[in-house]
Amino acid sequence: AQSVTQLDSQVPVFEEAPVELRCNYSSSVSVYLFWYVQYPNQGLQLLLKYLSGSTLVKGINGFEAEFNKSQTSFHLRKPSVHISDTAEYFCAVSHLQGGSEKLVFGKGTKLTVNP
Amino acid sequence: NAGVMQNPRHLVRRRGQEARLRCSPMKGHSHVYWYRQLPEEGLKFMVYLQKENIIDESGMPKERFSAEFPKEGPSILRIQQVVRGDSAAYFCASSPLAGYTDTQYFGPGTRLTVL
Repeated sequence: AQSVTQLDSQVPVFEEAPVELRCNYSSSVSVYLFWYVQYPNQGLQLLLKYLSGSTLVKGINGFEAEFNKSQTSFHLRKPSVHISDTAEYFCAVSHLQGGSEKLVFGKGTKLTVNP
Repeated sequence: NAGVMQNPRHLVRRRGQEARLRCSPMKGHSHVYWYRQLPEEGLKFMVYLQKENIIDESGMPKERFSAEFPKEGPSILRIQQVVRGDSAAYFCASSPLAGYTDTQYFGPGTRLTVL
């Protein structure tokens, strides 16, 4: 079975500071990895995804993530955050079983950007 | 191109009543996924449907919950005889194809409150 661990439930940072949100996964097979963002009372929006190729993936809103197979990690980074980045961030892996491409999510990291 | 539509956005039911949640996928998408988000938790997969077929319902509770995706009309998630533990946000996602490289696009969710 696959699982996703987001090591930090809450991350407070100041505006314009860099941020890294950590994600580790466990899987016995190759995986596809995703980061989604959820703003308050809204649905999930895809930030970026890793399918294959370059291990550094660039997404929307200035975010990027690096796939590290040896460390089974897919940490999300942004060099300079804005107040508007305050949201909850979810890491997920695709889990292919029985013809179903379900997503397995971590518990989320709440990013709070303070002025 | 309208995104994934879910209604109602908020639903209040008393214990023992029925809840019906509707999801209209993006135009051209024939694959629908339902996820449940409990407070302070990540999203958990419930069911995966294609038109007129349930492909994977391994995440659905054994009793009281059912889902359908008819040939015409939205996908419906039905919860009979609701209990307080059913209070959660229910998200629908759609994708165009059955490959797990495809992005799942999420709706805004239905927030169910059981009194």
